[in-house]
Amino acid sequence: DIQMTQSPSNLSASVGDRVTVTCRASQTISSWLAWYQQKPGEAPKVLIHRASTLENGVPSRFSGSGSGTDFTLTINSLQTDDFATYYCQQYRGFPWTFGQGTKVEVK
Amino acid sequence: EVQLVESGGGLVQPGGSLRLSCVASGFSFSTSKMKWVRQAPGRGPECISYINFSSTGMYYADSVRGRFTISRDNAKNSLYLEMKSLRAEDTAVYYCARVPRDGDGYGYADYWGQGALVIVSS
Repeated sequence: DIQMTQSPSNLSASVGDRVTVTCRASQTISSWLAWYQQKPGEAPKVLIHRASTLENGVPSRFSGSGSGTDFTLTINSLQTDDFATYYCQQYRGFPWTFGQGTKVEVK
Repeated sequence: EVQLVESGGGLVQPGGSLRLSCVASGFSFSTSKMKWVRQAPGRGPECISYINFSSTGMYYADSVRGRFTISRDNAKNSLYLEMKSLRAEDTAVYYCARVPRDGDGYGYADYWGQGALVIVSS
């Protein structure tokens, strides 16, 4: 199985900050990576697929980059609505696997 | 509006069985790939099963293979997960989700249901 490792596990930030979350795959996954946002009691919501393609309706302050094994989710000018947990997921091969998550909290 | 609505969750004893259902609306279910994702309390999501649009291709995670069966009824716009020999570690929220085509690839989920809670406990 392809292991996905996110860092950091927790992140404290303030509104307006630029936030970066990284995800590393245990083997190359090309650009087959998605990023999700999840709030308590809700299902995950996809933000980005194919490593850098923003989903319709997702604010442009979210961006994704990377290929191969190393990927980054960046949130420019963090908003109140962005405090949540973020997961990466590879879909290079089944089983499609998620990272352990990065919780973005209020500083 | 796309909707996925799960049902069938609940409390079951270890070794017991449960069948989850997911009814889809607002998109062409019969031409869509689907999957089940579960999330144990305080843990990240886990993709446990996938089915293609014609039920000719299915995948299972090692953690559920041989105990869980995914199926679908395109005439009823419905996805199912039959769960047998349930264990305490199967306790989780179970989501059905649509798997869109992504060029030559697929595997992420663009629409999710609200989830069905399954608790395996005596």
